[in-house]
Amino acid sequence: AQKITQTQPGMFVQEKEAVTLDCTYDTSDQSYGLFWYKQPSSGEMIFLIYQGSYDEQNATEGRYSLNFQKARKSANLVISASQLGDSAMYFCAMRDWGNAGNMLTFGGGTRLMVKP
Amino acid sequence: EPEVTQTPSHQVTQMGQEVILRCVPISNHLYFYWYRQILGQKVEFLVSFYNNEISEKSEIFDDQFSVERPDGSNFTLKIRSTKLEDSAMYFCASSVAGEKSEKLFFGSGTQLSVL
Repeated sequence: AQKITQTQPGMFVQEKEAVTLDCTYDTSDQSYGLFWYKQPSSGEMIFLIYQGSYDEQNATEGRYSLNFQKARKSANLVISASQLGDSAMYFCAMRDWGNAGNMLTFGGGTRLMVKP
Repeated sequence: EPEVTQTPSHQVTQMGQEVILRCVPISNHLYFYWYRQILGQKVEFLVSFYNNEISEKSEIFDDQFSVERPDGSNFTLKIRSTKLEDSAMYFCASSVAGEKSEKLFFGSGTQLSVL
C-alpha cells in the first residue's frame, strides 16, 4: 500500500526567505509520480509541481522546485522568496503506476504561514 | 484558464436524506474524479470515472454512493442516505486523458454538513 508522510503539520517562514516542506513516501513500485498541491483558505486545490520517478532532473516551476531523493524516498518542496500569498496548506501526493491505478494518495498536509 | 466548477459551495442536510453534489469538469477532459476531505484529515480518493463508467473506486465508495454523467457537461455524486460521518469537503477533479504523469484539475469543493 502507498503511504505519504508529511511530518510538519505547521511551519512559519519570513517573507522573502526560502522554505522546504518535507514529504516522504513509501511504495514498492518502481514507476510513480509525485505531485504537490496548494490549498489556500478559499479551499480549492491548486497544482504546483510534478516529478516522475524516472525523471533525472529535479522539477522546477517558477519559485517552486522539488528536491527529489529517490533512494531516500523523499520529495521535498522548496519555495524560494516566500510571499504572503504563499500562506496555505500544502499537500504532497503520489500516483503509483502499478497496482493503484489512476488515483492520487495524499499526505496529511503542511500549513505554511508566511510572516511579513 | 479553464476550471472545474462545483455547486453548491455549501450543503446542509439532515441525516438520512439524499444529497447530490454537482460538478462541471473542464470541457475537453475525459477522466473525472471525486475526492473528499474530512475536517483536519487527509484528502481521500472516492471514485474515478471514464467513458460513462466507474474505472476505480475506494473502500469508502460503498453502496450509498453513486456517480453519474447525466449529460455532456455535468458529473454528479449522489449520497443516498447521508450519515453524520459523511460531513466533509467533497472535491471534484478532472484530467484530459488519465495519463499517469498527468495533473488533476480540482474544483473549489462542496462543504457537506450532515446534521
